[in-house]
Parts: sequence; structure tokens; C-alpha cells
Amino acid sequence: ELVLTQSPGTLSLSPGERATLSCRASESLSSSFLAWYQQKPGQAPTLLIYGASSRATGIPNRFSGSGSGTDFTLSISRLEPEDFAVYYCQQYGASFHFTFGPGTRVELK
Amino acid sequence: QVQLVQSGAEVKKPGASVKLSCEASGYCFACYEIHWVRQAPGQGLEWLGLINVGNGNIKFSQKFQGRVTLSGDRSANTAYMQLNSLTSDDTAVYFCSRDGWNYDVLTGVNGFDVWGQGTLVTVSS
Repeated sequence: ELVLTQSPGTLSLSPGERATLSCRASESLSSSFLAWYQQKPGQAPTLLIYGASSRATGIPNRFSGSGSGTDFTLSISRLEPEDFAVYYCQQYGASFHFTFGPGTRVELK
Repeated sequence: QVQLVQSGAEVKKPGASVKLSCEASGYCFACYEIHWVRQAPGQGLEWLGLINVGNGNIKFSQKFQGRVTLSGDRSANTAYMQLNSLTSDDTAVYFCSRDGWNYDVLTGVNGFDVWGQGTLVTVSS
């Protein structure tokens, strides 16, 4: 079974800085099947990126996704105060598996 | 507007069952799959299963096979998730979410694009 690993576990940054989050799959994954979500405390997750690099509706262009094979990246070009949250990558649908990575917390430095 | 509204919080004793609902509005309910995802306190997201009320397709995470029942009522635009033989490990917020792929027109996004507000299930003796 494919396992997703995210790093770092916690990222401490200041507003205006760039955030780079990593998601690694235990075996090669089609980029069509990799999604990213943001979750703020007490809220449901929000879809940010699907197909590894396509932004979901309404997502600001400071969020971007890239990668292929086993290594994927979510980048936030300049952190806004509302971007401090937990971010999850997800294997979407390959062989009806929809597993999530353990998450990366982006916290205020 | 497109939304999913979930039923209220539940408190159950170990060994009991719980049935949660997820009412969809603002879109073609039968055109999209509904997924169920849970999150234990302070933990990450865990996928339980999916239902397509349009074509009857149901899939489960192997971990929950045999303990979860998924169903849907097209007339009420509502999906249901029943979890049996509850233990304290099942204490979590349970979310329903819409798969972004439209099976009627075969287009959309490969992700969970709409989420319910979540239902807290507490299992305690």
C-alpha cells in the first residue's frame, strides 16, 4: 500500500517568507492523483491543489504545486497571516485509495 | 450555493453504533461521489470510504471493511455513514466531502472540493 510522508513536520516562518512543503510517496504516483489541502483549527479541510499542480477554484496564486513520480512540493510564495495552518497531501483515487499524508504545520515564527 | 450539512454531535457507549447524515444542496447529488473522512483529536485525516448514489458504487478503506455501512437517499439528497462496534479509538470528527469529479459529464477536479462542517462522535463509557 502506498504511503505518503510529509516533511518537515513543522515549519516556523514569518509573514512574507516563502514556504516549501514536501510530500514523498513510497512508490511512484501519477501526478493526476496528488492533491493538497489546508486545514485551520476547528475547520474542515480546503482543497488547494489537485493534479499535483492545478489550483482549485478561488485559491490565490501564491499557492503552487509541483512534482512527479514520488516527490511533490507545495509552495507558498509569500506567507499571509491566514496561511498559518496544517497542510496535507493526499493520494487521490489510484486503485480507490485516498490516503492522506501526516501533515505539515506552518506556524508563526 | 454548493454545500454539505452534517448532523449533530453524538455521544455513544463502547459497542454501540452511530449513524451520521450528510445533506447536499446546490448541485446534482447523484453526479458526484461522497467520501467520509475522520480526524481523531489532534491527529491527521483518515479516509473511511466513498459512495456514488448515482451508480451505486461503494468502496471502503480496508481498515473499516465490515464495520462501516454507507448509504444514500437520492430523494433527500442525503448520504449516510453507519459505524458499528464503536470503541474509544473511534472518537473523532467525521467529515463528509464531495469528490470533485462529475460522473455525469465526466469532468471536474481530482480532489475533495466541498466539505461538510464535521460531526463530533465521542465514544465513552
